[in-house]
Amino acid sequence: AQTVTQSQPEMSVQEAETVTLSCTYDTSESDYYLFWYKQPPSRQMILVIRQEAYKQQNATENRFSVNFQKAAKSFSLKISDSQLGDAAMYFCAYRSSLSNFGNEKLTFGTGTRLTIIP
Amino acid sequence: DAGVTQSPTHLIKTRGQQVTLRCSPKSGHDTVSWYQQALGQGPQFIFQYYEEEERQRGNFPDRFSGHQFPNYSSELNVNALLLGDSALYLCASSFAGYEQYFGPGTRLTVT
Repeated sequence: AQTVTQSQPEMSVQEAETVTLSCTYDTSESDYYLFWYKQPPSRQMILVIRQEAYKQQNATENRFSVNFQKAAKSFSLKISDSQLGDAAMYFCAYRSSLSNFGNEKLTFGTGTRLTIIP
Repeated sequence: DAGVTQSPTHLIKTRGQQVTLRCSPKSGHDTVSWYQQALGQGPQFIFQYYEEEERQRGNFPDRFSGHQFPNYSSELNVNALLLGDSALYLCASSFAGYEQYFGPGTRLTVT
């Protein structure tokens, strides 16, 4: 079974600075997907960024980028130019690429609470 | 374009009762997944429905059951409620194996 570990329960960063959230995972599969989701106090889970394991290039979405180290099974999220609206719980999640329609289970970590200091 | 909707927003039940939670997927989506998120934890996968059938199930007892209707909406039923069932229940929808979009959740409190 796959597991996802987020070892930083809480992180804080000054507004406009850069912060990196850590995530490690364990799997015996060679092909899979990794995600970062954001959950603000409104509770709605929002997809931040996605990475396919077969792609060597790290994914980037505006101020959000990942450092994907497949051999080390590490998947960190970097947030640049942090903004007050970035304050939320951040969850790392794993999905097997063997999944077909109707078999798309996401395995989540325990989350990192990010605080933005004005 | 309406996103994923869930009802009700909040619910309070007594131990031993039964509860039904509802989810309408995002327009164009045909797959619905349910997750349980206990306070301070990450979401845990309950099960997933596609073509009105349960396709995959997490480590949850048979007290948790579901249904998907022809219009792709879904229900989650929990029987014989326990205090430990108190959690945020999240519904997510997807299409053709692409990203899951989540609803705002239903907060269930069991007293």
